[in-house]
Amino acid sequence: NAGVTQTPKFQVLKTGQSMTLQCAQDMNHNSMYWYRQDPGMGLRLIYYSASEGTTDKGEVPNGYNVSRLNKREFSLRLESAAPSQTSVYFCASRSGGPGELFFGEGSRLTVL
Amino acid sequence: SQQGEEDPQALSIQEGENATMNCSYKTSINNLQWYRQNSGRGLVHLILIRSNEREKHSGRLRVTLDTSKKSSSLLITASRAADTASYFCATDSNYQLIWGAGTKLIIKP
Repeated sequence: NAGVTQTPKFQVLKTGQSMTLQCAQDMNHNSMYWYRQDPGMGLRLIYYSASEGTTDKGEVPNGYNVSRLNKREFSLRLESAAPSQTSVYFCASRSGGPGELFFGEGSRLTVL
Repeated sequence: SQQGEEDPQALSIQEGENATMNCSYKTSINNLQWYRQNSGRGLVHLILIRSNEREKHSGRLRVTLDTSKKSSSLLITASRAADTASYFCATDSNYQLIWGAGTKLIIKP
């Protein structure tokens, strides 16, 4: 099984450009999450989707939008990238409710 | 805001020694989880301990939870070079996980 797959793995953007990070899971999980990880900090939740058809803001949603396309896919969009959005982005999923999270390998984004 | 705080921030030990990391948190939880992250990789789940459990073992890992002190510890026994990684605790409440900043563990050969 592939688990959680994120694309792209690396991306360099100029300030003001837009892009979408894609995430797909093949474990039939209900809940999906987008986090960002910055040096010296833990993961911070951007948005999550507790189930297909729902999305909610996390701790740091400003500058981002999400789409839960179907049960498998959860995308994260940066409409107008800023240098402060330079980070490593992780998608994760779990079956629903309390329990183990499964992570993708990360997408490393640099905004110049 | 970060709920979990790990201590120490960094730990360097000799191969074969035991490594202990601590995590403190602020609010009530359903469970507390520990994850490992190798450099440049995603996080991997290690162990979950529920709020009504006090201790849990998995292979060379031992986790304790003290809800009265709002703290947890992760013990890795007989460390190996492959244990070199960052370790994160995450508290699970209201169906969201909140993460600490992690402990960077280096195992010296």
